[in-house]
Amino acid sequence: NAGVTQTPKFQVLKTGQSMTLQCAQDMNHEYMSWYRQDPGMGLRLIHYSVGAGITDQGEVPNGYNVSRSTTEDFPLRLLSAAPSQTSVYFCASRATANYGYTFGSGTRLTVV
Amino acid sequence: EDKVVQSPLSLVVHEGDTVTLNCSYEVTNFRSLLWYKQEKKAPTFLFMLTSSGIEKKSGRLSSILDKKELSSILNITATQTGDSAIYLCAGHTRDDKIIFGKGTRLHILP
Repeated sequence: NAGVTQTPKFQVLKTGQSMTLQCAQDMNHEYMSWYRQDPGMGLRLIHYSVGAGITDQGEVPNGYNVSRSTTEDFPLRLLSAAPSQTSVYFCASRATANYGYTFGSGTRLTVV
Repeated sequence: EDKVVQSPLSLVVHEGDTVTLNCSYEVTNFRSLLWYKQEKKAPTFLFMLTSSGIEKKSGRLSSILDKKELSSILNITATQTGDSAIYLCAGHTRDDKIIFGKGTRLHILP
């Protein structure tokens, strides 16, 4: 049982490049979210989804897009990377609203 | 705007001490409060609290919610060096956002 799998683990981008952070879960969880974590800032919610085909914005959605075409996958797209997007990104999933999130191991992204 | 505030932001104690971490929340249509522990990598789930006054316990860790005061505490008794971590509190809204505080960085000295 793999849980929540994030790829890549590390990435360096140049300003203006685009990329997709992948997130997949094999627990048949309905709820998935993306967070970013910066030093001293805790976890900030970027986008979240309560099921396939449904997504919504979190606290810091600007510069990021998501889609949820399947229950298993919830990719996060950076269309034009900026240095302010340098961060550690966590994907998380949970079965229902009555459970806590299971987090992936994170992607450390540096934008130069 | 939904907000979760934790205090203190940082705490250093000696092994064997008891610590209390605080969390206050202003969350739209509050549904539950969650506590997580984060060591080197991803946060791991500790507790979900939905009812006021009912203590949840796991070993030396316990937590309680006060809906009247919009707050929660996490207690750790007889601390060990392995308890060193960032402890995160989060508020869960009825539109299913989970909003985190900035965390309390706890360091246990041997």
